[in-house]
Amino acid sequence: EAGVTQFPSHSVIEKGQTVTLRCDPISGHDNLYWYRRVMGKEIKFLLHFVKESKQDESGMPNNRFLAERTGGTYSTLKVQPAELEDSGVYFCASSPTGPSYEQYFGPGTRLTVT
Amino acid sequence: AQRVTQPEKLLSVFKGAPVELKCNYSYSGSPELFWYVQYSRQRLQLLLRHISRESIKGFTADLNKGETSFHLKKPFAQEEDSAMYYCALSGRGGYQKVTFGTGTKLQVIP
Repeated sequence: EAGVTQFPSHSVIEKGQTVTLRCDPISGHDNLYWYRRVMGKEIKFLLHFVKESKQDESGMPNNRFLAERTGGTYSTLKVQPAELEDSGVYFCASSPTGPSYEQYFGPGTRLTVT
Repeated sequence: AQRVTQPEKLLSVFKGAPVELKCNYSYSGSPELFWYVQYSRQRLQLLLRHISRESIKGFTADLNKGETSFHLKKPFAQEEDSAMYYCALSGRGGYQKVTFGTGTKLQVIP
């Protein structure tokens, strides 16, 4: 079975442009998470979906970031307009419903804002 | 606020030597503790969690609530253990966000 997939693997954009990252969770996983690692810092939580609902978006840095999960399947994370400090690796993870706490991570999208 | 501290950015050990990756945490209450690992060119994956009390690939981690530590240990390092290791925590119950440390790169020297 395919794991969590993310697209693109790498994106280079100019400051002020818009970028949309996509995450496809493992089929059947209701929980979907977005994380970000900025250079030299820890992996930080951005938000959590349960199906199509935002359960926790306390980690979203500002209103330039918009996450959606229409239909409760794949999710997108849009950054508009992008700033230099948005550069980093964006990870998506999913987990099934149930007592398991294991989150399965995607390979990440490396975003470079120039 | 919840926080995970990994004091070492890089830990180099010789093959066959013992390994200890340090992790300290702060959390109000009783968290779930994890170690994640990322091998070169692979995705982040769960190595072990304290509630399972298991040994994975020879690694163990003991939760010390008094010292708020969750150090990762292995008696004899192998070259294939070279990777980035992240200590992490989450709240108990339900589906909680995971808070990560900054990671420690383990380099096993042949």
